[in-house]
Formats: sequence, structure tokens, C-alpha cells
Amino acid sequence: AQTVTQSQPEMSVQEAETVTLSCTYDTSESDYYLFWYKQPPSRQMILVIRQEAYKQQNATENRFSVNFQKAAKSFSLKISDSQLGDAAMYFCAYRSGETSGSRLTFGEGTQLTVNP
Amino acid sequence: GAVVSQHPSWVICKSGTSVKIECRSLDFQATTMFWYRQFPKQSLMLMATSNEGSKATYEQGVEKDKFLINHASLTLSTLTVTSAHPEDSSFYICSARKQVGNTIYFGEGSWLTVV
Repeated sequence: AQTVTQSQPEMSVQEAETVTLSCTYDTSESDYYLFWYKQPPSRQMILVIRQEAYKQQNATENRFSVNFQKAAKSFSLKISDSQLGDAAMYFCAYRSGETSGSRLTFGEGTQLTVNP
Repeated sequence: GAVVSQHPSWVICKSGTSVKIECRSLDFQATTMFWYRQFPKQSLMLMATSNEGSKATYEQGVEKDKFLINHASLTLSTLTVTSAHPEDSSFYICSARKQVGNTIYFGEGSWLTVV
């Protein structure tokens, strides 16, 4: 079974600074997807960024980028120029590449605080 | 973008009664929907996978008779908490897999309080 581990329960960053959230996973599959979701106080799950395992290039979405290390099974999220609105719970998630295996496996989450 | 709507957003019910939560994919067909439960400051815990036209697949430890899931159409899945008790109070969130593109979209979630 696949597992996702986020070793940082809480992180904080100063506004406009950069912060990196860690995520490791364990799988025996070669085809899979990795995600970072943001959950603000409203509890709505918001997709931040997505990475296909077969792609070597790290995904980037504006101020959000990932460092995907497939061999090390590591998938960290870097938030640049942090904004107050980035404060939220962040979840790393794994999904099998098989069509039938579309369930998401979530990490424990990292609560990010942005200090003004 | 694709939208998944959950209703109700908030519900309070008396202990011993049943309550139904709906999850609708508004602009796409979803052959598969997922139901999660989330406790405060914790991660999402998958309860069951709902497939249109067939029985739901429950995760280990989830009571099938207590959490009834029905997925009667390609746009609607329902979760019914039967004989609710205060310990069932939680945040329940659904997600739907869009057939085209195999992307998953989340509903807004539903807060259940059992008094």
C-alpha cells in the first residue's frame, strides 16, 4: 500500500519570504501522480500543483513549485514570496496512475502560518 | 472548471436520527465519487469509494450499515449517517472523478453536529 508522510506538522514564514514544505511517499508503482492541496479555514480543498511521475521536469504554478526526487521518493513544495492568503493546511497526496486506482492517499498535513 | 456541490453545508441532528448528505457533480459525469471524514487538525480519512450503479467499497473499519452510500446516477452520490450519535459529529467531504481527464474535484464539505 502507498503511504504519504509529511514530517512537519507546523511551519511558519514571514510574508514575502520563501518556505519549503516536505513530503515523502512510499510506493512500488512506476506510474503515479503527486499533488499538493491547500485547505484554508473554509475547509475547501484547493489543488495547488500536480506532478506526473513520468515527467522529469518539476511542476511550477506561479509562486508554487515542487522539487520532485523520484529516486528518493520525495516531493517538496516551495512557496515563494509568501502571502498572507497562503496561510492554510497543506496536504501532500498520492494517486496511482492506473485508471482504476484513482483514490487519493493523503499525508498528515502541514499547517502553514504566514507572519506579517 | 468542474464543480462539485455538497449539500447541506451544515447540519445539526438529534442523536438517533438519520441524516443525508448529497454530493453532486454539476457539469460533468462522475462514475466514481469518494467520501472522506476529517477530524479537526487531521488529514482526510477515506471512508468509501462510490461507483455509479454498484455497491460502494468501504475502507476497513468503516461501518457499512451506519454510513450508507448510494450512487444512483452519474452526477449524484449520497451519504446517509444512520442512527447518528455525537461521535459521528465531524466534517464530511466528497470528491468526484471526472471521467474525461481522470481529474478529481472536491466538494465544499459538510459539517455534521449530532446533539
